[in-house]
Amino acid sequence: AQKVTQAQTEISVVEKEDVTLDCVYETRDTTYYLFWYKQPPSGELVFLIRRNSFDEQNEISGRYSWNFQKSTSSFNFTITASQVVDSAVYFCAPPQGGGADGLTFGKGTHLIIQP
Amino acid sequence: GAVVSQHPSRVICKSGTSVKIECRSLDFQATTMFWYRQFPKKSLMLMATSNEGSKATYEQGVEKDKFLINHASLTLSTLTVTSAHPEDSSFYICSAWGDGGYGYTFGSGTRLTVV
Repeated sequence: AQKVTQAQTEISVVEKEDVTLDCVYETRDTTYYLFWYKQPPSGELVFLIRRNSFDEQNEISGRYSWNFQKSTSSFNFTITASQVVDSAVYFCAPPQGGGADGLTFGKGTHLIIQP
Repeated sequence: GAVVSQHPSRVICKSGTSVKIECRSLDFQATTMFWYRQFPKKSLMLMATSNEGSKATYEQGVEKDKFLINHASLTLSTLTVTSAHPEDSSFYICSAWGDGGYGYTFGSGTRLTVV
């Protein structure tokens, strides 16, 4: 099974600050996918990104960006100019094995954006 | 995009009764369904994986007689919590894996309270 570490349990920043959420994973697979999900207080999981291990280019989507470093097994997530609506728990998750296997979620990082 | 409908969103039941949670893929065929459980302020834990027409595969420590999973069609999977007890109170969320590159699509979750 894959292992995921999200060392930051809770982060609190003031609105408009940039914030980076860390994710470190372990895997014996040579190819794999990495995911980030957002869980707002309402509970549903919001898909943010799926990254193939072949693709090491950083990705940017609006205020969100992801830095994938295969050499250090890290897949960090940055929110620029944070907003109160970004307040949520963020989970990093690689597949358990590969393909259509269930996800192994990290413990999540609770992000609090203060107005 | 792919949508998974999960019902009910909230349910309160008496101890000893059974509760059924439904998860439907609305616009794609879900070849595999996953069921997760989440305790307050905790991560999501994979409970079981089911493929259409097959018996579910349960994760270690999950009682298969307590949590009955049925995946009778490519668009419907159900989780029945049998003889529910207060310790079964939790947030349950399903995820569907479908062909066509949709990846994992999550339902909106069911908050179960057993009194």
